Amino acid sequence: GAVVSQHPSWVICKSGTSVKIECRSLDFQATTMFWYRQFPKQSLMLMATSNEGSKATYEQGVEKDKFLINHASLTLSTLTVTSAHPEDSSFYICSAREAGWAKNIQYFGAGTRLSVL
Amino acid sequence: GQQLNQSPQSMFIQEGEDVSMNCTSSSIFNTWLWYKQDPGEGPVLLIALYKAGELTSNGRLTAQFGITRKDSFLNISASIPSDVGIYFCAGYTDKLIFGTGTRLQVFP
Repeated sequence: GAVVSQHPSWVICKSGTSVKIECRSLDFQATTMFWYRQFPKQSLMLMATSNEGSKATYEQGVEKDKFLINHASLTLSTLTVTSAHPEDSSFYICSAREAGWAKNIQYFGAGTRLSVL
Repeated sequence: GQQLNQSPQSMFIQEGEDVSMNCTSSSIFNTWLWYKQDPGEGPVLLIALYKAGELTSNGRLTAQFGITRKDSFLNISASIPSDVGIYFCAGYTDKLIFGTGTRLQVFP
């Protein structure tokens, strides 16, 4: 299957700092990438959908100024958690859908565990 | 956000047993996907279903797309210890909606 690389896998930061997470599709082009958040023992919740070259679409209740998404190329999307606070601590997972592939399959990165002190 | 109801919530079985889990929704989906997630990892795609009534296998795994398009089933035959993990169904319309997950424990 297609490979999605996510970096870093784990980050600890101080409250008030910003953290950037990268998501790359390694062997395919992804016009659409997705960012999910997962709390312990819960399912994945979609935060936002990013399309290459355009603004991201955020799900209801997700602050766009808090979670900045940039999808600058067909293989890279970034999520920046700005002014992080302890309640932002979570497991963030990106996903990518192959461009031109009509089968609605999304491939996921390995996730980034964010701990805000 | 919207979620699909998945059952059972957890299963504790002995190695060699078969496993069945299902996913139901009040909405119709045109694609059903089944993923497995290991602790601290992202979900890995197991099976994709595209047509109502479709039955698809991947090794010891078999999944079916319900006739009503509002449900899907996953069966695992002859379970082994490495089947341990959380299994998620996901339905797709204009975006992928995840089920609540089934946590599987396999005892030797």
